[in-house]
Amino acid sequence: RKEVEQDPGPFNVPEGATVAFNCTYSNSASQSFFWYRQDCRKEPKLLMSVYSSGNEDGRFTAQLNRASQYISLLIRDSKLSDSATYLCVVTRRGFKTIFGAGTRLFVKA
Amino acid sequence: GAVVSQHPSRVICKSGTSVKIECRSLDFQATTMFWYRQFPKQSLMLMATSNEGSKATYEQGVEKDKFLINHASLTLSTLTVTSAHPEDSSFYICSARHREIGEQYFGPGTRLTVT
Repeated sequence: RKEVEQDPGPFNVPEGATVAFNCTYSNSASQSFFWYRQDCRKEPKLLMSVYSSGNEDGRFTAQLNRASQYISLLIRDSKLSDSATYLCVVTRRGFKTIFGAGTRLFVKA
Repeated sequence: GAVVSQHPSRVICKSGTSVKIECRSLDFQATTMFWYRQFPKQSLMLMATSNEGSKATYEQGVEKDKFLINHASLTLSTLTVTSAHPEDSSFYICSARHREIGEQYFGPGTRLTVT
């Protein structure tokens, strides 16, 4: 079993739709959690950190449930420019960062 | 924001040769740098963790004698792919952990093609 698992995707949604990404992690000692965005052939870029109290940034909301070892990302009112691969990222002790396989999102006009 | 550079951005080499990739934190000091590899349509896989002045810690399945990592200063880490083979063709990305604020920043990546 992979340490970080995500929905396989791809997700194809129309502009304006709400889309939710799910992620689970297996190491209960994981310390920090993030969502990254990666465009084709580019390096990943931090989208937002994820906290148990929830984290909202504009159209993006991230949530962490430590008891269930589950992380989510919600995108509201999706735009064409949101098309990318979304990576669930977990950091272990020693700052080792483990990436999920990513979920590809296609937003269509 | 903090910037991490990688050089070269693309490299094509012949099978059996060695290739060195540099990762530099341009405007901050990095206590730790990470090297990742990404094959097409797959996620980033952590190869090794590099701390300045000490030996790198390699992930399971990564050959330390094949992927030589040197972290000589707080702003530079190098990855040398020795005796490269076509199966080593991949996108190699480094990241650097900011010494003061703890955030991790990614380099733009190096696309290696071994012919």
